[in-house]
Amino acid sequence: EAEVAQSPRYKITEKSQAVAFWCDPISGHATLYWYRQILGQGPELLVQFQDESVVDDSQLPKDRFSAERLKGVDSTLKIQPAELGDSAMYLCASSLPGTANTGELFFGEGSRLTVL
Amino acid sequence: EDQVTQSPEALRLQEGESSSLNCSYTVSGLRGLFWYRQDPGKGPEFLFTLYSAGEEKEKERLKATLTKKESFLHITAPKPEDSATYLCAVPGAYTDKLIFGTGTRLQVFP
Repeated sequence: EAEVAQSPRYKITEKSQAVAFWCDPISGHATLYWYRQILGQGPELLVQFQDESVVDDSQLPKDRFSAERLKGVDSTLKIQPAELGDSAMYLCASSLPGTANTGELFFGEGSRLTVL
Repeated sequence: EDQVTQSPEALRLQEGESSSLNCSYTVSGLRGLFWYRQDPGKGPEFLFTLYSAGEEKEKERLKATLTKKESFLHITAPKPEDSATYLCAVPGAYTDKLIFGTGTRLQVFP
């Protein structure tokens, strides 16, 4: 069964360091999402791509976060510099075009970031 | 402001003890309500989509229902493997961005 791949699964870093997360969506899924989930809360959308274009990045802290999906396939989310408040699970999800209103997002297992 | 509230925060059940989880929402022009299951340390897994009041969806021991103000996830005769956090979400009124609740953490004991 096709899955959304994410790496690394776990990352521990010190504040002010740079971190990067990678996501490979399910083949054929043009829409890709990055969510941040703080422990005990629901996921919050950081950025949404349609192919290689950003559709929504209104909640992305652009002074320190960046995201790219250069060829419209896999994607990288970067944080520089990391702050203590960035400790969270970073979830990647993908979906087929036009399924946003069905809720049928396929999530990866996430990347757990701990900032010391 | 678009908002999703889930209750209770946590629920402990004995195996076989049926119960319900609540998801209340405030959003203009509901365009769908979605339920997900999330196991510890994993990403959410899509369960159901509900579109209109009165609609019901079922999957194994789970049944989701929708009214004009809230949705319920009914769990009938739960088993320990049903233990997980259950999240609900709705699209915002003027955006496709999903607004998630904080989830209900369900624990089912044998």
